[in-house]
Amino acid sequence: GEDVEQSLFLSVREGDSSVINCTYTDSSSTYLYWYKQEPGAGLQLLTYIFSNMDMKQDQRLTVLLNKKDKHLSLRIADTQTGDSAIYFCAESKRGYNKLIFGAGTRLAVHP
Amino acid sequence: EAGVTQFPSHSVIEKGQTVTLRCDPISGHDNLYWYRRVMGKEIKFLLHFVKESKQDESGMPNNRFLAERTGGTYSTLKVQPAELEDSGVYFCASSQEGVVENSPLHFGNGTRLTVT
Repeated sequence: GEDVEQSLFLSVREGDSSVINCTYTDSSSTYLYWYKQEPGAGLQLLTYIFSNMDMKQDQRLTVLLNKKDKHLSLRIADTQTGDSAIYFCAESKRGYNKLIFGAGTRLAVHP
Repeated sequence: EAGVTQFPSHSVIEKGQTVTLRCDPISGHDNLYWYRRVMGKEIKFLLHFVKESKQDESGMPNNRFLAERTGGTYSTLKVQPAELEDSGVYFCASSQEGVVENSPLHFGNGTRLTVT
């Protein structure tokens, strides 16, 4: 089946690291994504990782993929108030743009 | 370049009425997608156009939903008659090609539909 699960809420202090977790069930997924939705805005692609990779780093963002456990995480270093948003995990097969999304994790950053 | 635009941003209608949502993709993007998020749950795929043709409409919930993309430019999604469970945020997205490696999805800001 196709299922992507995320915890619904995460609260962190400004300057700390945030780790948002995601699990998926479809072992044939080839691409996994992280999207960000700020209030009143659309979905913004943050990063994606191919399933044969374990890690991808892009500035403050680090994506870790454990394919055996079907677990994906997004780490945001030095979290800022501007990082407050909903973060969606998603998967797709062969990179096609038909995505299977999770319900989103709301990240709240407080001083 | 102008992004994906959706109209209206909000719509409140009564059960049984008809609503039409519009999406203007990024110019030159042949691929257009509709997704929706119902009641804070996961975002679900509805359908995919390549130009004016429906490539995949496996996510359309029932025959009360009709999507069109005449001429391969903008698209409309009509709900007739609307039911309470249709409330949610409807997102449109476009991409030049159908695979993320070459062209990731660009999403619009969504239309928030409330059926009362």
